[in-house]
Amino acid sequence: GAVVSQHPSWVICKSGTSVKIECRSLDFQATTMFWYRQFPKQSLMLMATSNEGSKATYEQGVEKDKFLINHASLTLSTLTVTSAHPEDSSFYICSARDRGDSYEQYFGPGTRLTVT
Amino acid sequence: GQNIDQPTEMTATEGAIVQINCTYQTSGFNGLFWYQQHAGEAPTFLSYNVLDGLEEKGRFSSFLSRSKGYSYLLLKELQMKDSASYLCAVYSGYSTLTFGKGTMLLVSP
Repeated sequence: GAVVSQHPSWVICKSGTSVKIECRSLDFQATTMFWYRQFPKQSLMLMATSNEGSKATYEQGVEKDKFLINHASLTLSTLTVTSAHPEDSSFYICSARDRGDSYEQYFGPGTRLTVT
Repeated sequence: GQNIDQPTEMTATEGAIVQINCTYQTSGFNGLFWYQQHAGEAPTFLSYNVLDGLEEKGRFSSFLSRSKGYSYLLLKELQMKDSASYLCAVYSGYSTLTFGKGTMLLVSP
């Protein structure tokens, strides 16, 4: 149980285009989902927290107009990187918290984004 | 602010025991996680400590001292597949996880 999927697993896009990454909880309902970014040999940095049906809460330094998050249902959250630039190339990981769970987050397999 | 420190790299040999330390200074503390992460993959859950003391789970054990802001992950009977990055993460606030930079463990034959 507690499986989280991400799609796509990797994507290459051109500078200036937008990319959408999906995060799904497959066998549980996730009231809260989290988006992280990880640069090579660095730790996971929380970008934003999204709650179903409400606006996402962004961490300091993360541009909400550039990283659009939509948590439209209890099993799906999407992250759209708008007007992507090479410096946005990174490993994006989502996690989800079961509505019945108090603390544990279940991580997706990650999406490798490369902007050329 | 949040500050979590772990060694950057460690090496050990197959069959040995290794201890990975983590110290933290955070505003708020609800518990501490340890995750394992292989290159290019998402973190996988290893342990969660809320109370002081040692939690043992097979070859892996995790220790927490809240008063000292200190935790360690103990790996016994090391195997080659244990070569990975080990992330210490503090759970504070409402579902907020703050990760350390991770300790890259290399297990050699």
